[in-house]
Amino acid sequence: AQKVTQAQTEISVVEKEDVTLDCVYETRDTTYYLFWYKQPPSGELVFLIRRNSFDEQNEISGRYSWNFQKSTSSFNFTITASQVVDSAVYFCALSEAERDDKIIFGKGTRLHILP
Amino acid sequence: GAGVSQSPRYKVAKRGQDVALRCDPISGHVSLFWYQQALGQGPEFLTYFQNEAQLDKSGLPSDRFFAERPEGSVSTLKIQRTQQEDSAVYLCASTDRSSFYGYTFGSGTRLTVV
Repeated sequence: AQKVTQAQTEISVVEKEDVTLDCVYETRDTTYYLFWYKQPPSGELVFLIRRNSFDEQNEISGRYSWNFQKSTSSFNFTITASQVVDSAVYFCALSEAERDDKIIFGKGTRLHILP
Repeated sequence: GAGVSQSPRYKVAKRGQDVALRCDPISGHVSLFWYQQALGQGPEFLTYFQNEAQLDKSGLPSDRFFAERPEGSVSTLKIQRTQQEDSAVYLCASTDRSSFYGYTFGSGTRLTVV
């Protein structure tokens, strides 16, 4: 069965520190997509990244980077030089592309960036 | 439209009342999803449509929940005889499989049952 685990419920760091949000997933499929979404206090879900299961290259987008390791079924997200505006709840999610399009979300990690 | 539109934005219902939540997906998006997000939790899958066909309703918590998308565009999530445990944000998302960005979510409807 598909499952996404975000073990860190809540993290607080001081501004400008780096922070890594962990994500571990379970799936029975060989083809799947992994996602990260940001949910700021306003409530909308903001797409950050989608990664295909066949592409294990790490990705960097500005201060954001993602580390995908199939061997450990992990898809971790790092924010470097964190800013107060990064404060939000971050969700890791999984879609088993060969079955249907539905996304299964983790429970989220609430990130507090302290000024 | 430019995004996924949900209405109403907020809904307060008395216990036992029926409610209907509307989702207007991005034009041309074949797939439409409903999720329920309780306070402090991640979104939980409710149901999924491809055009007008409801392909998966495994997440609907009880037979009081019903969703439809009769013309393959606008969708309505109906909750009959609302209970306090139904209080949550109901999120709608749409996608077409070719979209790199995957799913576009609406802002949600916050339902409070009193």
